[in-house]
Order: sequence, then C-alpha cells, then structure tokens
Amino acid sequence: AQSVTQLGSHVSVSEGALVLLRCNYSSSVPPYLFWYVQYPNQGLQLLLKYTSAATLVKGINGFEAEFKKSETSFHLTKPSAHMSDAAEYFCAVSDRSGYSTLTFGKGTMLLVSP
Amino acid sequence: DTEVTQTPKHLVMGMTNKKSLKCEQHMGHRAMYWYKQKAKKPPELMFVYSYEKLSINESVPSRFSPECPNSSLLNLHLHALQPEDSALYLCASRPSSASGGANEQFFGPGTRLTVL
Repeated sequence: AQSVTQLGSHVSVSEGALVLLRCNYSSSVPPYLFWYVQYPNQGLQLLLKYTSAATLVKGINGFEAEFKKSETSFHLTKPSAHMSDAAEYFCAVSDRSGYSTLTFGKGTMLLVSP
Repeated sequence: DTEVTQTPKHLVMGMTNKKSLKCEQHMGHRAMYWYKQKAKKPPELMFVYSYEKLSINESVPSRFSPECPNSSLLNLHLHALQPEDSALYLCASRPSSASGGANEQFFGPGTRLTVL
C-alpha cells in the first residue's frame, strides 16, 4: 500500500522568500511521485514528476523537488515566492500498475504575503 | 490539443433530477478517470476506464453511473443525488502504459455540482 504525508496544512511565506513544501511517501516499490497545484475552483496542474531518471527534478514556474530515498521524501522548493504562487499544492504517489492510480496527500495551502 | 475539457462548468440540481457530466480529451489517452473533490480535501478516485472498459469502481453509490462511449469521451450520469454529493467533479486522462514512463494524469477544470 502506498501513502503520502504532507507536513503542514498551511504554509505562509513573504513574497521573495524561499518556498518549502514537505512531502514524505511510503511505498513498497520504487514510486513515481508528482506535485500538482490547484488554484481556486480549477483542476489540478502538474508541476513536476519523479520517474527515477534524476533525483533533482525541475518543474514549471521555477519549482523543483529532490527525491531522497533514504528519507522517503520529495519536498517541493522554489527560491523566491511570487504572489501568483498562492494555491493548494498536492503531493501524490502512483503505483506502477497499468492504471497508475494516484494516492494524494492532504494538500498544503501556500499563502504568500506582500 | 493538449487539454481535458469538462462541461458544464457549474451544475445545480434537485435530488429528483437526472443530469450528466461530460469529459472530453483528444490526446489519444486510453485511460480516463473520475474524481470527486470536497472543499479543502484532496481528490478521491471514483472510477477508472482503460481502453473504454470500466476497470476500477471505488465502491461508488449506484446513483453515479459512468459511461465511456468512445476513447475520447467520458460521461458521468447522475440520478437521485443527495446534498452531500455536492462537490467539484474532476476528470483526468493518461496515456496508456504501453507508451512507457511515469505518465502523469492530465486534469480537466472540473464541474462544480450543487445538489439542493
């Protein structure tokens, strides 16, 4: 069975500050990992994904994440927050079955203040 | 075309109504998904279609009836819903496993459903 834990339901940063959103996973097999962002009343947009090709993954909008097997973590970072980054962020793990169902974390709301 | 579209954007229905949600993609994806998302919660998987066949039903009540008429279209038929079914309904699609890699799911914008 797979699971994802996102530490912190809300994270507040100032504009220009470092963004760090934490994600830890549990999986019995090497996982596929994803970060999605959701703006209010919209669908989910993929930020980045880990497929075992490289441990440091770069995504859209300046975000990146590092896969650390020893820590079972896949934290999301951005060097400098922008007001437009304010949204809900979901970490997800996928199994390697043909259906690739996603198991989501509970989400972290990123708040950015001027 | 690299998007998933969903109609309608908003839907208000009574508990005795019958309505349908529609999802469409033209990316050639052969796996399609329905999710239900309540406020401030992650999406919950409802159904998975693979090559137009229902592959996973996550014990969803029978008042929700999915249909996949062809490889581009996914419907969700609604009948006799309850107020607690009010939520954002998301559709997603994904390339088949045969194309290799960790194929992510592409999500539509969702239908905001309110049951009165």
